Amino acid sequence: QKEVEQDPGPLSVPEGAIVSLNCTYSNSAFQYFMWYRQYSRKGPELLMYTYSSGNKEDGRFTAQVDKSSKYISLFIRDSQPSDSATYLCAMSGRNSGNTPLVFGKGTRLSVIA
Amino acid sequence: NAGVTQTPKFQVLKTGQSMTLQCAQDMNHNSMYWYRQDPGMGLRLIYYSASEGTTDKGEVPNGYNVSRLNKREFSLRLESAAPSQTSVYFCASSEAGGNSPLHFGNGTRLTVT
Repeated sequence: QKEVEQDPGPLSVPEGAIVSLNCTYSNSAFQYFMWYRQYSRKGPELLMYTYSSGNKEDGRFTAQVDKSSKYISLFIRDSQPSDSATYLCAMSGRNSGNTPLVFGKGTRLSVIA
Repeated sequence: NAGVTQTPKFQVLKTGQSMTLQCAQDMNHNSMYWYRQDPGMGLRLIYYSASEGTTDKGEVPNGYNVSRLNKREFSLRLESAAPSQTSVYFCASSEAGGNSPLHFGNGTRLTVT
C-alpha cells in the first residue's frame, strides 16, 4: 500500500458545483497536511496548509482532516472554470526532521462553463 | 521577488548527451529539492538538500547528480541522458525540511531522443 493514495480522475463538473477532492494515507504519524494546485505547464502552488485534525476555510476552499480515518479532503464551493487544474495533497509527520513531504499523485479537475 | 527560477525552460537532448539543470531561489530558504513529474506517476523526488552543504537521495536518484552550490542554488546534472529521463523537472525550496511548505519553480521540459 502506498503511503498516500489519491484518485487521479479526471473529474469534470459544471460551473457552480461543489467539488470534493480526497486523499487517504497509511502513516498515522502524519500531522501536517497540504493541498497544492497545479495549472497546466506550471509548477504546483500551495493552496491550503493544516495541522492535525479539523477544518480550515479560505474563501471558497475548505480543507478537512479526519485523522481517525486517515482521510483528508479539499472542498471547493461555487467552482469556477479558473479552478480547472490538478490538485495534489501532501503530508508529513511532526517529527519528520528533514524528511521531505509525501505527495499524492494528484487529481485532475475540469470545471465546465 | 522571483521565488524559484529554473533554467532552461525547454531542452532536447540526444541519448548519451549531458546537461545541467539550474535552479536558484531568492527566499533565503534552507532546503531545496529536485522532482520529476511524469503522466500517471505524480511528483517523484530525485534528490534534496536539507541545508547548504548536504544532499540526500530521494526516490529516483539513479542517473542524476546534484550540487548545492550555495544557499541559493541547487543544480541537477544528467551525465548520460537516456530516453527514460524524458520528463518535466521541478525544483522547489522550503524554509526548513519536513513540515515547511514547498515553493516550486515552473519546470524544465526535457526530451531525450
